[in-house]
Parts: sequence; structure tokens; C-alpha cells
Amino acid sequence: QLQLHESRPGLVKPSETLSLTCSVSGGSISGYYWGWIRQTPGAGLEWIATMLYSGTTYYNPSLKSRVTISVDTSNNQFSLKLTSVTAADTGVYYCARRRQAGSSWIFDYWGQGTLVTVSS
Amino acid sequence: EIVLTQSPGTLSLSPGERATLSCRASQSVNTNYFDWYQQKPGQAPRLLIYGSSIRATGVPDRFSGSGSGTDFTLTISRLEPEDFAVYYCERYDSSSLSFGGGTKVEI
Repeated sequence: QLQLHESRPGLVKPSETLSLTCSVSGGSISGYYWGWIRQTPGAGLEWIATMLYSGTTYYNPSLKSRVTISVDTSNNQFSLKLTSVTAADTGVYYCARRRQAGSSWIFDYWGQGTLVTVSS
Repeated sequence: EIVLTQSPGTLSLSPGERATLSCRASQSVNTNYFDWYQQKPGQAPRLLIYGSSIRATGVPDRFSGSGSGTDFTLTISRLEPEDFAVYYCERYDSSSLSFGGGTKVEI
């Protein structure tokens, strides 16, 4: 059974960089797309970015200037960096696998989520 | 960006009743690229319906999705106790993905 597990950065200070890692177990990161989604009090569920294991990336236009995602196939994990954080970035961050299902694309496996609080 | 508006915000029903949840898009959406998720407290969203009407693996057949263009519906034919949760619609295209604000189904 595929499992995704987000790292736990906990508290991040305003203007600093949020760094998260998603470790994938029970399956290979190769061959799939992987994504980050967050849930904040202000914006609700919000897609952040998706990337193919080989490096092709897609970013939410509203966050693109602050987001970088990357993949580490040797360690079967992928990462998110969000710069210049503010209180509005406080929320639960999820990683998920994205795959094709017929004519559709789905997020079929999700991590349990990690709470990130931006505060001084 | 396409905005998804879900209604009602809260649906108060009893077990055994039928639930009808609505999601309206600000622009037409490809039916292949429209999904519904269920989220319970402290849990990640769970995919229920994809491609507007296809149940995800393991989803009971009391859940059904329909719609096209800008109007989509999730129907739960007979509510079970475990169905009381928040439901989100979602759409995507080649460059963006967005969620609705959610409908809470409560007892």
C-alpha cells in the first residue's frame, strides 16, 4: 500500500522560507506526478503545485513566484519550498500522488497532512 | 481562474435521507476534469468521484455524480452515519486546479 508522509516543520517565522518534504513508501516515485495542496483558514483547499518525477512542473499562478518543488528519486521523496511566508500561509499542507485514470487525472493517495504555523 | 461555488454551505439531514450537493463553475468545465472529495475532521480529502460521474475505488454506490458545463451535482442516495463530513468539488485543466469552498453535511 502506497503511503505518503510529510515532514513536520511546525513553526516558521514571517518572511522566512517554508520547507517540506514528502517521503513516499510502498511504491516508486518514478512514473508518476506528485503534488502539494494546502488548506488554510483564508483560502480553503488550494492547489500549490504538481510535478512529474522527471522534473516537469506546474504551479498555481497565484503562488508561482514563491514556490519551488523538486524531486529526489534516489530517496523516493519530493519537496516544497515556499518563500517569504506570511500568516496567510498558515495551514495544513498535504502531499499527494497524481495519476491518469482514463481520460481524467486524479489525486489518489494523500499524506496525512502537516500543520504549518507562521508566527514570530 | 475558474471559481467554483458550492451550495448550500451546510446541509442538515438525518441518516437514511437523500443529500443533493451543488457546485457551480464560473466558466464551463470539461466533464472529464471535474471531481468530488469527502473530508472528515483531521483527515486528508478522499477522492469520491472523478470525471464528473465515475466513482473512485472503494466508494459505495450510494454516491453519484452528474452534471456538465457549469453545473455539477453530488448525490448521496441514503445517508449513512459515516457520510457526515465536508464535501468539496474540484476542477482542473492543463495549467490550473481549484476547489470549491465546501458543503458540510451534518446531522
